[in-house]
Amino acid sequence: AQSVTQLDSQVPVFEEAPVELRCNYSSSVSVYLFWYVQYPNQGLQLLLKYLSGSTLVKGINGFEAEFNKSQTSFHLRKPSVHISDTAEYFCAVITPQGGSEKLVFGKGTKLTVNP
Amino acid sequence: DGGITQSPKYLFRKEGQNVTLSCEQNLNHDAMYWYRQDPGQGLRLIYYSQIVNDFQKGDIAEGYSVSREKKESFPLTVTSAQKNPTAFYLCASSIGTGRGYGYTFGSGTRLTVV
Repeated sequence: AQSVTQLDSQVPVFEEAPVELRCNYSSSVSVYLFWYVQYPNQGLQLLLKYLSGSTLVKGINGFEAEFNKSQTSFHLRKPSVHISDTAEYFCAVITPQGGSEKLVFGKGTKLTVNP
Repeated sequence: DGGITQSPKYLFRKEGQNVTLSCEQNLNHDAMYWYRQDPGQGLRLIYYSQIVNDFQKGDIAEGYSVSREKKESFPLTVTSAQKNPTAFYLCASSIGTGRGYGYTFGSGTRLTVV
């Protein structure tokens, strides 16, 4: 079965600093990978996704992620964070086989941006 | 605008009661999903439905029931058999299956047992 590991449950950073949120997945077959963001008491919003092609994926709000097949990783990065980036971030994976699309989520990383 | 509407936003349940959470979408999506979110646990799949009149159990279906009588609606009932129902419940939908479209999420219902 697929699984997703988000290595840090909480990441505090200062405003305008760079940040990396780490995500590793376990799957021996090809996968689709996603990052979602959740603001307090709201649903999840798609930040970016990797389906195929270029391993560097750019998303909304200045975020980007790099797919590394050999490391089975999909880390999320932003070169300079803002206070408004404070939220919880979820990495998720789908194995596109068997016609069943069920996202499997990591446990989330809470990003806190301090002034 | 198209989207997913979950209601109510907050719900209080007494011990032993069944409650139903509403989820409606006007995106014309075939697949719909219910997730439960607890602090530090991520999202866990309760039930999902790929077409009307069909649904499957997810990882934590015990104590929950669903129906899918219409394409746009996928209500979730939290029964009295669910021993720890206090959580944040999220409904989602997707265009289809196996093609990496990703999900669109509703804004959630926070259920509290009183």
